[in-house]
Amino acid sequence: AQRVTQPEKLLSVFKGAPVELKCNYSYSGSPELFWYVQYSRQRLQLLLRHISRESIKGFTADLNKGETSFHLKKPFAQEEDSAMYYCALRNFGNEKLTFGTGTRLTIIP
Amino acid sequence: GAGVSQSPSNKVTEKGKDVELRCDPISGHTALYWYRQSLGQGLEFLIYFQGNSAPDKSGLPSDRFSAERTGGSVSTLTIQRTQQEDSAVYLCASSLVVRTGELFFGEGSRLTVL
Repeated sequence: AQRVTQPEKLLSVFKGAPVELKCNYSYSGSPELFWYVQYSRQRLQLLLRHISRESIKGFTADLNKGETSFHLKKPFAQEEDSAMYYCALRNFGNEKLTFGTGTRLTIIP
Repeated sequence: GAGVSQSPSNKVTEKGKDVELRCDPISGHTALYWYRQSLGQGLEFLIYFQGNSAPDKSGLPSDRFSAERTGGSVSTLTIQRTQQEDSAVYLCASSLVVRTGELFFGEGSRLTVL
């Protein structure tokens, strides 16, 4: 069974400091990994996906198959980064997305 | 419409009553999902519809939960004989098959069972 683990429910970081949100997964096939974000009073939305290898709003995430991780990183946190972040996994070729329990990130001014 | 629309936005009901939650996906999106968002539980997958294929119901927590999608568009999630543990935000999302992985979420329906 596929599973996504986000070990930190809450994370507080000072503005300007580096941010790392952890995500580990278990899946025996070839997974696709995503990060979704929910800002206050907004809808849940896609932040980035590992296939695209993109940087969005300064965030990057590298898929490490050896460690089965997909940690989200940003070198310098900004106040507007405060939000709920969810890591998600999808079977390659299947539409179903499995989400982790989420990490609430708070940026301290 | 501009995005996924869900109704009602808030529903308070008494234990034992039935509730219906509605989702209107983005026009043209063939895939539709229902998730449940509870404190400390993250996003729990409930059910997934894709075109005319049989839905993936593997996430429905009990036989009190059911969902249908009429005409490949609007979907209704029904919870019968509601229990207090059903209290949560129910999120609907839709996606284009050709852009797999990006789900577009509604604002959710907050259900409170007294």
